[in-house]
Amino acid sequence: DGGITQSPKYLFRKEGQNVTLSCEQNLNHDAMYWYRQDPGQGLRLIYYSQIVNDFQKGDIAEGYSVSREKKESFPLTVTSAQKNPTAFYLCASSSGTSGGLPYEQYFGPGTRLTVT
Amino acid sequence: EDKVVQSPLSLVVHEGDTVTLNCSYEVTNFRSLLWYKQEKKAPTFLFMLTSSGIEKKSGRLSSILDKKELFSILNITATQTGDSAIYLCAVVPYGGSQGNLIFGKGTKLSVKP
Repeated sequence: DGGITQSPKYLFRKEGQNVTLSCEQNLNHDAMYWYRQDPGQGLRLIYYSQIVNDFQKGDIAEGYSVSREKKESFPLTVTSAQKNPTAFYLCASSSGTSGGLPYEQYFGPGTRLTVT
Repeated sequence: EDKVVQSPLSLVVHEGDTVTLNCSYEVTNFRSLLWYKQEKKAPTFLFMLTSSGIEKKSGRLSSILDKKELFSILNITATQTGDSAIYLCAVVPYGGSQGNLIFGKGTKLSVKP
């Protein structure tokens, strides 16, 4: 079945450690996205990539890094520079855009990161 | 299995029309329902609904939740071309150990001049 997967579902880390969240899709989508969600808030965009080997910062990129070496993979690293890393992280993918409107995004199940 | 179903999947209207977007859900331990508008790059948050029958309103947009019938609607009056977007509905399950957002596939709204 086609879909987008994130692993792990829950992740616990000590403060000061970098941690990488996995996101894989087999939908043959060009575009991939990382979002963060905090309680009571909507999604906030961290990074997005519209094509392999290219990515752009979103609204809250500080303290995060990404890579896009393969079309199907878009890992997110939460670095020790991120001041408040504990959050729910969502990855999404889409076919891209048509006429200026994006195709619908398919979201992964999310990773809940807790840093203590 | 928890699920969120939005309808219609796509909709084309003309400026000035009023539209109603639907979101139905089957979720255990429902906590809240969220509406997003997705334009060029990322969804933007519109409303969070937690209580039945209380309309949330922002300009020409309004939304209401019916927890008995398990659905929500998003209304847009006097539509403009700038309303063209994908509108996402997501349900938040209750419980701190979960936290997964359950999204619908979205409704793609196109507003023609």
